[in-house]
This record gives sequence, structure tokens and C-alpha cells, in this order.
Amino acid sequence: AQSVTQPDIHITVSEGASLELRCNYSYGATPYLFWYVQSPGQGLQLLLKYFSGDTLVQGIKGFEAEFKRSQSSFNLRKPSVHWSDAAEYFCAVGAGGGYQKVTFGTGTKLQVIP
Amino acid sequence: NAGVTQTPKFQVLKTGQSMTLQCAQDMNHNSMYWYRQDPGMGLRLIYYSASEGTTDKGEVPNGYNVSRLNKREFSLRLESAAPSQTSVYFCASTRQGASNEQFFGPGTRLTVL
Repeated sequence: AQSVTQPDIHITVSEGASLELRCNYSYGATPYLFWYVQSPGQGLQLLLKYFSGDTLVQGIKGFEAEFKRSQSSFNLRKPSVHWSDAAEYFCAVGAGGGYQKVTFGTGTKLQVIP
Repeated sequence: NAGVTQTPKFQVLKTGQSMTLQCAQDMNHNSMYWYRQDPGMGLRLIYYSASEGTTDKGEVPNGYNVSRLNKREFSLRLESAAPSQTSVYFCASTRQGASNEQFFGPGTRLTVL
């Protein structure tokens, strides 16, 4: 069975600082990996996804993530955080097949301080 | 193009009452999903519908039923609400295929007293 671990429940960074959110997954085959962001009171919005090709993927809002098969990781990064990035971030892994069964991590809540 | 819509946005029930959460998408997606979100638990899949006419249990189906009314609509029913079902419920949809991202509705915040 697939699973996702986000080891950091809460992270605080200063505005302008760099950010890395960790994600480790468990899946027997090549995974489909996603990062979603959830602003307070909102649904989830896709930031980026990986399923093949270049292991460094670019997403919206200046985010990027790197797939490292040897470490079973898919960490999310941003070089300079803005106050508007304060939100909760979810890593997810999707199974192959004719439909998309996705398992979500428990989320990392990002706080940005001035 | 409204994407995924959910009604109602908020609901308060008493233990034992029933209700149906409605979800509709206008993106011609094949697959639809119901999740619940609880603090520290992430999103947990309740039921999903891989395509019109099919539904399957997810991780936490007990106490819920679903109906895939047509390609657009996927409803979630609580027959006899319990306080443990207090949660935020999200509906999502996707084109068929594991590489496609899910599109989420804005959620329904349900409180069961």
C-alpha cells in the first residue's frame, strides 16, 4: 500500500528566507507525486506534479520540487518566501491504473513572519 | 466554468439526523471523490467513483453512502450522523488516469452535536 510522510507538522520562516518542505513516500512502482496548497477555509490547489521525465519540476507561485528515487523523497522548495505563502501544504502519491487513487500526507502548516 | 461546487458550505446536525452533501463538476471529469479532513490527519478518502455508474469504498467509508447520480454529480449521505463525523468534507474530481491532478471543491464544514 502506498503512503506519504510529512515529518514537519508546522514550520515558521521569515519572509524572504528560503523554504524546504519534506515529503517521503512509499510505493512499489514509479509513483505519481503531487504537492497541493490549502489556504485557510479553501479547498486544495495543485502546486506541481511529477510522473516522469526531469526529476526537478517547476510549479506555480515560484515553487519547485525534486524527485529523488534513492531517498523516496519529493521535497518542495522555494528560494524566497512571501507572506502570502502562509498556508498548509500537502504532499500526495497517486497509484497507477485506470483511475487515480491518491494518498495524502498529514500536511505541513507554514507560518511566515515579517 | 465553475469547477467543483459543493453545497452546503456549513451545516450543523444533531446526533442521529441525516443529510446529503452535494457535489457537482462541470469539467467533464470521469472520476470523483469524497474526502474528510480532520486536524493532524490530512485528507482521508471516504468513497470514490472511478466512472459514472461505479462507486467504491475508500479508507473510511463507515457511516456514509454515496450516489453517482450522473457524470457531473456525486453525493455523500450520512444516514445517522454521529459526533465523530464532525469534519470538513471535500469533493474532488479528475480526468481518468493516475497522472492527472484532482480538482477540489471549497469544502463543507459539518458539525454534529
